[in-house]
Amino acid sequence: DQQVKQNSPSLSVQEGRISILNCDYTNSMFDYFLWYKKYPAEGPTFLISISSIKDKNEDGRFTVFLNKSAKHLSLHIVPSQPGDSAVYFCAASWNFGNEKLTFGTGTRLTIIP
Amino acid sequence: DAGVIQSPRHEVTEMGQEVTLRCKPISGHNSLFWYRQTMMRGLELLIYFNNNVPIDDSGMPEDRFSAKMPNASFSTLKIQPSEPRDSAVYFCASSWSGRITGELFFGEGSRLTVL
Repeated sequence: DQQVKQNSPSLSVQEGRISILNCDYTNSMFDYFLWYKKYPAEGPTFLISISSIKDKNEDGRFTVFLNKSAKHLSLHIVPSQPGDSAVYFCAASWNFGNEKLTFGTGTRLTIIP
Repeated sequence: DAGVIQSPRHEVTEMGQEVTLRCKPISGHNSLFWYRQTMMRGLELLIYFNNNVPIDDSGMPEDRFSAKMPNASFSTLKIQPSEPRDSAVYFCASSWSGRITGELFFGEGSRLTVL
């Protein structure tokens, strides 16, 4: 039972354009969401997070949007750069700050120069 | 500052053999996690420890899998006997439970291939 779903296994975007990665969740108890980025042969690294009391969080070129009613979040990268090519994992937890994270299956983002 | 250290980075073994994966968390972190990455299921939590005590092992697939954390700086994940379906990348991650952000720090992973 996949509680966190990333339905697009891959995405290709032109350099300089906006990349939008999507994530859906089924467990209404989730109240904290994170995005991790993973390069080949490396471990995932934390990118950005958002709590359920917000609907948007921004950090430089990265913005995460949360739509609680739709149980949907998205990561926007503007403008996309070649170094953004990686696998992006969406993760969720409950009881804000609980360390037990449930991850999605990941989306491989390729930025085309 | 050293990150999470995992060994071996790659392991190729034959079905039925015992496999032991090792992890050294970041100094000062008191929570440790073992995840498994597969194409079909993404990153699955197998087990996590807090202050060296197993808190949740509901993700451990079956009795062939076991994990220990004898002290704050070392953990092992053992598979005995190994099967081809255990082939995956196994990640160890650590954190400090006092953090409010819930961010985990991952090692580089151990890629296991069971023939």
